[in-house]
Amino acid sequence: ILNVEQSPQSLHVQEGDSTNFTCSFPSSNFYALHWYRWETAKSPEALFVMTLNGDEKKKGRISATLNTKEGYSYLYIKGSQPEDSATYLCAPNSGGSNYKLTFGKGTLLTVNP
Amino acid sequence: SAVISQKPSRDICQRGTSLTIQCQVDSQVTMMFWYRQQPGQSLTLIATANQGSEATYESGFVIDKFPISRPNLTFSTLTVSNMSPEDSSIYLCSVEDPGYEQYFGPGTRLTVT
Repeated sequence: ILNVEQSPQSLHVQEGDSTNFTCSFPSSNFYALHWYRWETAKSPEALFVMTLNGDEKKKGRISATLNTKEGYSYLYIKGSQPEDSATYLCAPNSGGSNYKLTFGKGTLLTVNP
Repeated sequence: SAVISQKPSRDICQRGTSLTIQCQVDSQVTMMFWYRQQPGQSLTLIATANQGSEATYESGFVIDKFPISRPNLTFSTLTVSNMSPEDSSIYLCSVEDPGYEQYFGPGTRLTVT
């Protein structure tokens, strides 16, 4: 069973602030890392799938980086908006599998207007 | 991306009863997955359901407690049997696309009293 750690557990920021979270995971047997955004009562929304060491991906104000050698990924949100309030989950594929995901507990982001 | 619906969206059930959760996808998919998130815990894979074969269960989950059906390539059910308060969770189904992304349904919020 993979040990996936996300920090911080929760975060409150003001509208307009930039913020970032961390996901750490075992670097051995790495296949891919997924980031999701999960708003209450909605489906988890896929943000990024990252596979290569040094990958950087961007979607609007959200970006992510990946370091597979040391086993971590950062998610950045630039100029946070209230609609960014959600739980952000990371999940590496488990044990070299190309479909089994092991999720961290997530970072709960609250953006205050 | 696949569009996934789940029924029911939420339910309150009595201890000792069973609940069947339905998952419908708008396109044919090979692999469907069932996850559970207990309060304060990570999203955890219960089993993988392939059409025409028995579901594959993860460690800690058994068929007698979580029987799964997969009658065709767009539909699956998960039954939570002989429920106890510890089964109170959000249950989600997901599917994988060829680009390794997984798409999730909106979840079923189950409370067992």
